[in-house]
Amino acid sequence: ETGVTQTPRHLVMGMTNKKSLKCEQHLGHNAMYWYKQSAKKPLELMFVYSLEERVENNSVPSRFSPECPNSSHLFLHLHTLQPEDSALYLCASSQETGTGSYEQYFGPGTRLTVT
Amino acid sequence: GQNIDQPTEMTATEGAIVQINCTYQTSGFNGLFWYQQHAGEAPTFLSYNVLDGLEEKGRFSSFLSRSKGYSYLLLKELQMKDSASYLCAVRDRDYQLIWGAGTKLIIKP
Repeated sequence: ETGVTQTPRHLVMGMTNKKSLKCEQHLGHNAMYWYKQSAKKPLELMFVYSLEERVENNSVPSRFSPECPNSSHLFLHLHTLQPEDSALYLCASSQETGTGSYEQYFGPGTRLTVT
Repeated sequence: GQNIDQPTEMTATEGAIVQINCTYQTSGFNGLFWYQQHAGEAPTFLSYNVLDGLEEKGRFSSFLSRSKGYSYLLLKELQMKDSASYLCAVRDRDYQLIWGAGTKLIIKP
């Protein structure tokens, strides 16, 4: 039990579908992250929310749209995805201080397949 | 550019010791993390080094040399459950985490 949950765990969607990934953290942290993990590649940071404000975008395509309604919940809205977007999407949270953040706690991920 | 290098895959024997190396070139340095990730599961935090030297935590130890841009994770008394990927990540001067691609460790009986 990591304290960070993600749903769904697996998702298959067509390129014209719209779906959303959900993340919830029960650790009282003030920062949340979305990562993309592809086989044999480093984790790619997609979005960072600190105190519910988005602070990092990293040039992610607009077909990915994040939403952070409060410090415990994070969504990733998906639409008109491409097959190369198939990957494991990981959510993480951490406690940010004035001099940086502590270690990140990850959810189990959503395995996304775009057909 | 910023870069983290670690071996793609390593194999070791149950009960033995293995050392997983990580070298980095980043814009500044504000700490290095090691994470463990079992197949199909979330990465979990193992260790954090910000000063030179060795940090020991049970069977796992992590070493850092900032002047060499080098770290290693040492796993002793290997168990089958240690079969996993080990991720090295460095926090740069902007406190952004730069991740390596991970080292897949295979433990054989």
